[in-house]
Amino acid sequence: SQKIEQNSEALNIQEGKTATLTCNYTNYSPAYLQWYRQDPGRGPVFLLLIRENEKEKRKERLKVTFDTTLKQSLFHITASQPADSATYLCALAFTGRRALTFGSGTRLQVQP
Amino acid sequence: DAGVIQSPRHEVTEMGQEVTLRCKPISGHDYLFWYRQTMMRGLELLIYFNNNVPIDDSGMPEDRFSAKMPNASFSTLKIQPSEPRDSAVYFCASSFRWDRDVFSSYNSPLHFGNGTRLTVT
Repeated sequence: SQKIEQNSEALNIQEGKTATLTCNYTNYSPAYLQWYRQDPGRGPVFLLLIRENEKEKRKERLKVTFDTTLKQSLFHITASQPADSATYLCALAFTGRRALTFGSGTRLQVQP
Repeated sequence: DAGVIQSPRHEVTEMGQEVTLRCKPISGHDYLFWYRQTMMRGLELLIYFNNNVPIDDSGMPEDRFSAKMPNASFSTLKIQPSEPRDSAVYFCASSFRWDRDVFSSYNSPLHFGNGTRLTVT
């Protein structure tokens, strides 16, 4: 069965630094991959999407890369701020299946 | 737009009781998803609908769980009888099939509600 792995340990970084979160998957490559942010007591909120034929996607301070050879996506937040502290989830969509499969998420803590 | 609306926000019930969770998707969205989130298993897909029709219910744990979507603006997830292991946060999400900016059948993001926290004692 398909497995999605995100670092279960919290990532602690200093304000202003770049946070890098990892999403690894096994078996089949997805048609596309999405990243979501989740705050305590709230539902996940969509951030970025990247397709299987794209290497990189940017949006403001966010950058996502997608390496189908390594079966890995990296999510970067540059010039991080305490307000970026949250749990970040990656989600994969496979051809022929409309629903997303989510990773367990990585908690990011940005220290002021 | 008010977003996806779920009710109740919190539900505490005793084992054996029936529980009904409710969801109002974003108007115009034609996909609706029910997910369950726990610390141990993360976000798991339970069932999803397209145009009110259930498409994939393979994630529904067992016959105690049932979901309906009688119209485009309302869905319910029912657990009968409830058990302590059903305790979790249940999320409803909706989406378009087609992203308005880029035409692809697989890239519409999900819009989640804020969930119902269910505690079964």
